Amino acid sequence: TQLLEQSPQFLSIQEGENLTVYCNSSSVFSSLQWYRQEPGEGPVLLVTVVTGGEVKKLKRLTFQFGDARKDSSLHITAAQPGDTGLYLCAGGPRGKLIFGQGTELSVKP
Amino acid sequence: DTGVSQDPRHKITKRGQNVTFRCDPISEHNRLYWYRQTLGQGPEFLTYFQNEAQLEKSRLLSDRFSAERPKGSFSTLEIQRTEQGDSAMYLCASSFLAGTSGRPSYNEQFFGPGTRLTVL
Repeated sequence: TQLLEQSPQFLSIQEGENLTVYCNSSSVFSSLQWYRQEPGEGPVLLVTVVTGGEVKKLKRLTFQFGDARKDSSLHITAAQPGDTGLYLCAGGPRGKLIFGQGTELSVKP
Repeated sequence: DTGVSQDPRHKITKRGQNVTFRCDPISEHNRLYWYRQTLGQGPEFLTYFQNEAQLEKSRLLSDRFSAERPKGSFSTLEIQRTEQGDSAMYLCASSFLAGTSGRPSYNEQFFGPGTRLTVL
């Protein structure tokens, strides 16, 4: 059974700080997605990483896929209050997505 | 592009009642998924369709749950004899799976806003 573990589960930081969220598995994934979810809303797709070692940037967000395609990380530079939300990693074969339990990020002004 | 829509957004019901949720996927997407999410957790897979065929159901989906996608467009998820443990956010997602076109498909799923179910 494929599982994704995210850490940390909760993160509370001040505006302007940097942070990294990790997503780990013992299984190989052909691709991983990162989503951001706000309270009462559905997850919004941020990025898909597909190649081992791949790095993708989305403004202040940097996503990396591990060389062995078993793990991924999300780094946010100079966090802003608008980055507050639940960050989810997800992956799976053609069909269902398996989600990590999420990282609840709170950025205080 | 109107995105994935779900109706209703919120549903409060009494234990034992039946409820039905609707999902309208992105129009060109051939796959539709249902997930359930409880507070503090990531979404959990329930079932998915490719066109009108239901291809997989989770063991989480008890006999009280049934999903349909009769014409390969919108889908409904019905819960019969609701229980308090059914209280959750029900999320619908859609994706496009390329056939033999050669275009890569990375299982990117686009989610609707969800239906929040509260069973009293």
